[in-house]
Parts: sequence; C-alpha cells; structure tokens
Amino acid sequence: QQQVRQSPQSLTVWEGETAILNCSYENSAFDYFPWYQQFPGEGPALLISILSVSDKKEDGRFTIFFNKREKKLSLHIADSQPGDSATYFCAASLPGTGSNRLTFGKGTKFSLIP
Amino acid sequence: DAGVTQTPRHEVAEKGQTIILKCEPVSGHNDLFWYRQTKIQGLELLSYFRSKSLMEDGGAFKDRFKAEMLNSSFSTLKIQPTEPKDSAVYLCASSFGTYQAPLFGEGTRLSVL
Repeated sequence: QQQVRQSPQSLTVWEGETAILNCSYENSAFDYFPWYQQFPGEGPALLISILSVSDKKEDGRFTIFFNKREKKLSLHIADSQPGDSATYFCAASLPGTGSNRLTFGKGTKFSLIP
Repeated sequence: DAGVTQTPRHEVAEKGQTIILKCEPVSGHNDLFWYRQTKIQGLELLSYFRSKSLMEDGGAFKDRFKAEMLNSSFSTLKIQPTEPKDSAVYLCASSFGTYQAPLFGEGTRLSVL
C-alpha cells in the first residue's frame, strides 16, 4: 500500500505559467512534509518543506498549500523557468517519533514546452 | 561545508559478485539512510541508522543487502550476491535533529550484467 501518492506522473507547461503538483497521504500521523527536487544524475535536494500545523509555506516562486483534513498538499511553481525542469518528490515523516525517516511519493516529472 | 559523499559514482558488476558501496555522512549528523531508486519503484528505504544503531532494515532487502555503520563518519552497503534486478541508483542521506529533511549524496549507479 502506497502511503504517499503524487499526481500527475508528468507535467508540461509553458514558460511563465504556474505549475501545480499534487500529493496525498494515508497516515494522518504524518506531520512533516519536505519536497525534493532532483535533476538527472544527481541526488534529490530539499526544495521546501512544511509542518502540519501550517496551511501554507512560501519560498520565492515555490509555495506549498496544505490541507490537513483532506490529507492533501500541493506544490505551486509560479513563473515556471527552464531551470525548474526536474523531478519533484513529495515526502512525509513522523518527527514526533524522533525520526527523520521519510516515506516518498513516486515523483512528478516536470518540464517546460520548448 | 562537505555534503554527503558516496563512492563510487558508478559500479558495474557481474551477476553473483559482491559489491560494497560507501557513504560518508555530513559531519555531526546522527541519522543515516540508504535508499534505492528505480523508475518503477521510486525511492525505497533499505536501512536507517540512528547514532550508529540500526533502527530499520527494509524487510524485502534483508537477505542479500547488508548495511553497516562502522563509525559515525562512515557507512557501507554490501550486496551479496548481486543480481541483474539490483541495477539501480543507491542513495545515502544523513540528517540531525527533528524536522530536518535529510541531505542526500549524489548516489551510486549500479549496473549488474
């Protein structure tokens, strides 16, 4: 049973558009949600994260919206740029247990229309 | 600051061989994770150490995969014997404190022929 789900599997937008990447989870005890960005040939790198006590987190062009009741979150990429083309992973953990062990979604491959 | 260092970056093995992948976590980090990444399965946890103690050993990987943390600054992942289905990218990550997303290394790409 997959505990963290992402959609769509792939997403293509025009440069300058806002892209929306979705994530949902099963375990209501998850309380920390980092998003990672991964370029080919590299390891995942932390992009932005949110705690379950918040409903929104912004960092430049990247914003997470979080809905605890529905167990859903989304990553919005505003003014999409060619350098944003990458695979994005949503992850969840239970830091209340003292652990940073992450459960990952399968990722959304994001690219811009050339 | 040095990040997570993984060696080698690429490894080619014959079926049945033993291979050892290496990881140096960020200095001072006390959580260390090994993940396997494939296109189909995504990121799967292989092992998790806290302060050198094994906290979690991925059930499906127990028989041929063995991770060790010899000291706080070095970990190895041994695969014995290798099979073609083990071809994947193996990622090491480390972290310290709560609500701290782990920092990943660049990974080792393993090809088993």
